Amino acid sequence: GAVVSQHPSWVICKSGTSVKIECRSLDFQATTMFWYRQFPKQSLMLMATSNEGSKATYEQGVEKDKFLINHASLTLSTLTVTSAHPEDSSFYICSARTSGVNEQFFGPGTRLTVL
Amino acid sequence: QQPVQSPQAVILREGEDAVINCSSSKALYSVHWYRQKHGEAPVFLMILLKGGEQKGHEKISASFNEKKQQSSLYLTASQLSYSGTYFCGTDWFGNEKLTFGTGTRLTIIP
Repeated sequence: GAVVSQHPSWVICKSGTSVKIECRSLDFQATTMFWYRQFPKQSLMLMATSNEGSKATYEQGVEKDKFLINHASLTLSTLTVTSAHPEDSSFYICSARTSGVNEQFFGPGTRLTVL
Repeated sequence: QQPVQSPQAVILREGEDAVINCSSSKALYSVHWYRQKHGEAPVFLMILLKGGEQKGHEKISASFNEKKQQSSLYLTASQLSYSGTYFCGTDWFGNEKLTFGTGTRLTIIP
């Protein structure tokens, strides 16, 4: 149980385009989803927290107009990187948790490369 | 404010023990431990909640010292599969927002 999927697993796009990444909880209802970014050989950095049906909360320094997060249902959250630039190239990972459970379950990650 | 882990990297022979420390600058509500293999997402190992408990399963255990704002992960009789980067994730406010530590790269050699 507690499986989280992400799609796509990798994406290459041109500078200036937008990319959407999906995060799904497959066998539980995710009341909260988290989006992280990880640059090579670095730790995971929390970008934003999203709760189903409400606006996402962004961490300091993360542009909410550039990284659009939608948590429309209890099993799906999406992250859209708008007008992507090469410096946005990174490993994007989501995690999900359900109410009353402390553990966060991570998706397999999406590697974004912006040319 | 990122939790500091020590050591940064360690190389062990199969069967040896390792201790990884995680030090926080703030009081901790809980500490989550993860292992990440190259190019993959982190895999959950365990959570320690406020209260100073110690947890473990098989050869991996952890402790949580509230006073020192520290947690330690203990790996005994290490196996090749233990190789990877270990991260602690600290929850300072009980809201499940994790701040991940600097990471410890563990390499197990035969």
